[in-house]
Amino acid sequence: GALVYQYPRRTICKSGTSMRMECQAVGFQATSVAWYRQSPQKTFELIALSTVNSAIKYEQNFTQEKFPISHPNLSFSSMTVLNAYLEDRGLYLCGARDRDRADTQYFGPGTRLLVL
Amino acid sequence: QQKVQQSPESLIVPEGGMASLNCTSSDRNVDYFWWYRQHSGKSPKMLMSIFSNGEKEEGRFTVHLNKASLHTSLHIRDSQPSDSALYLCAASRNSNNRIFFGDGTQLVVKP
Repeated sequence: GALVYQYPRRTICKSGTSMRMECQAVGFQATSVAWYRQSPQKTFELIALSTVNSAIKYEQNFTQEKFPISHPNLSFSSMTVLNAYLEDRGLYLCGARDRDRADTQYFGPGTRLLVL
Repeated sequence: QQKVQQSPESLIVPEGGMASLNCTSSDRNVDYFWWYRQHSGKSPKMLMSIFSNGEKEEGRFTVHLNKASLHTSLHIRDSQPSDSALYLCAASRNSNNRIFFGDGTQLVVKP
């Protein structure tokens, strides 16, 4: 079956430091990977959409300078939160679209980021 | 960024009752809608997708879509306590485009 793994599941970083999170699609080839952030208040924001061999599209309020993304192949993507501050807290979810089932986006379990 | 609005924010229904959740997109170019369910501490899992006008039923879950009004609704009949979760509506312009989520409806089914 289709699975999406994320690593780490939970991380704590000091304010002003950076942390990298990874997303791995297993059992299918992900044509695109979307990174989302779910705030402690449950607000769900799209950070960026990454499609292999295409430019990564960032949403308003999110930039490559702050959230650089790497998507080298159809099964792996990583995103870094640079210079993290309190407002960056939340659950970072990776959603991978199945090439053979374009209507389905599978989510990983998320990386929960706490900033001290 | 908010292109998807959901109502109500929270909903309490008795066990065995009917839960009705609503979702509207403010983007007139949206064509695809999904409903996801997120249990506490877990990631969202897709419940149903709907791309055509009309109704789609899977077990106790029924989804309606009115493309003209860009409105979709999810109805859960014979609600169970295990249905208690955050229900998220998502929309996209096409199958390969960005998917935006609403803030969800928190459903509580009371035994």
